[in-house]
Amino acid sequence: ETVLTQSPATLSLSPGERATLSCRASQNIRSHLAWYQQKPGQAPRLLIYEASNRATGIPARFSGSGSGTDFTLTISSLEPEDFAVYYCQQRKNWPPLFTFGPGTKVDIK
Amino acid sequence: QVTLRESGPALVKPTQTLTLTCTFSGFSLTTSGMCVSWIRQPPGKALEWLALIDWDGDERYSPSLKTRLTISRDTSKNQVVLTMTNMDPVDTATYYCARTRAMAYYFDYWGQGTLVAVSS
Repeated sequence: ETVLTQSPATLSLSPGERATLSCRASQNIRSHLAWYQQKPGQAPRLLIYEASNRATGIPARFSGSGSGTDFTLTISSLEPEDFAVYYCQQRKNWPPLFTFGPGTKVDIK
Repeated sequence: QVTLRESGPALVKPTQTLTLTCTFSGFSLTTSGMCVSWIRQPPGKALEWLALIDWDGDERYSPSLKTRLTISRDTSKNQVVLTMTNMDPVDTATYYCARTRAMAYYFDYWGQGTLVAVSS
């Protein structure tokens, strides 16, 4: 089973600052990584798929990069609505088995 | 417009069986490549994938919970049902259903979730 590790656990930043979130996989997952944003009381929302593709309606300040075992989600300039928890997720090709990372909380400094 | 909605009991007792229903619209589970999964999230904790059913009716389960889970579908009603046996307080969580596709490695649409508490 592929384990995902996210760092840091918490990121304290101010609006306007750049956020850099990391996700590391325990084995090579090529580019098969997604990122989600979750706000309190809400379902996760897909931000990035296949490591670097923005989902429909996601602002350009969100970008993803990486392949293999190391991945990064970058928020270029934090807006007030971006303070949330972010999860990475991968899927084993076949049979399809999914795992999530433990999450990174981005909170207001 | 794709939507999913979970329904089921808010409270179950330990050792009971939980049955949750996901009712969806905007796509058909008989369309090649379509899949629906269940995912849960204990309060304050991370997401955990539970099970998937695909357009062919094939089922996949989390290895750690496989013996307790059954996923099924009713294509005429656009519903996917999850049953989980022998519920325990550690199973207290918000349960989500979400759509994915065979060639996709992500969940593109999610329901709003339903909170299930396990307590006597």
